[in-house]
Amino acid sequence: GQQLNQSPQSMFIQEGEDVSMNCTSSSIFNTWLWYKQDPGEGPVLLIALYKAGELTSNGRLTAQFGITRKDSFLNISASIPSDVGIYFCAGSFGNEKLTFGTGTRLTIIP
Amino acid sequence: NAGVTQTPKFQVLKTGQSMTLQCAQDMNHNSMYWYRQDPGMGLRLIYYSASEGTTDKGEVPNGYNVSRLNKREFSLRLESAAPSQTSVYFCASIRTTLPDTQYFGPGTRLTVL
Repeated sequence: GQQLNQSPQSMFIQEGEDVSMNCTSSSIFNTWLWYKQDPGEGPVLLIALYKAGELTSNGRLTAQFGITRKDSFLNISASIPSDVGIYFCAGSFGNEKLTFGTGTRLTIIP
Repeated sequence: NAGVTQTPKFQVLKTGQSMTLQCAQDMNHNSMYWYRQDPGMGLRLIYYSASEGTTDKGEVPNGYNVSRLNKREFSLRLESAAPSQTSVYFCASIRTTLPDTQYFGPGTRLTVL
């Protein structure tokens, strides 16, 4: 089955740094979602995008729905320790079935 | 309002044993899903149910069965567990007033020896 290409696979940053990650697909999606997963927990929705070109923020997080509808980007500004976790992108064709990326593991170096 | 709940949280089975993973949501959502998560693989859809009384296969349905008992509950059954089914299983439901926004349960960590 199809999975989205998410990069980077892992990131090691210092507290206070900005973070960028992206997700690409060979298919067009109608919806892009970004989730964060903490250890031992289920994914939690961070941002939902429904329109090509859309730029949406949630606190220090900003995500964009790519113009081609085949990609999406997530930025985290001024990272803090609680940002540690795995970030997943997910795309949908509008039929309520999501395709997930393989995840980006974010680690903050003391 | 507990959201999506799953039981058990952890389970160890021997090859060939059977078990049922339970999922319930109290958000009055129509659609419910079962995923499995393996290292480096993201989440893969096993089965989903668009409404009470209907179920459909996802990407990796082999070795699993599901039951949508009512609007609240969606169970996943392993009839004869295999080591390849060692994984973390997540149940999710969707809020239909805002398409494609899924809410996940805390997961069941299953090990098959």
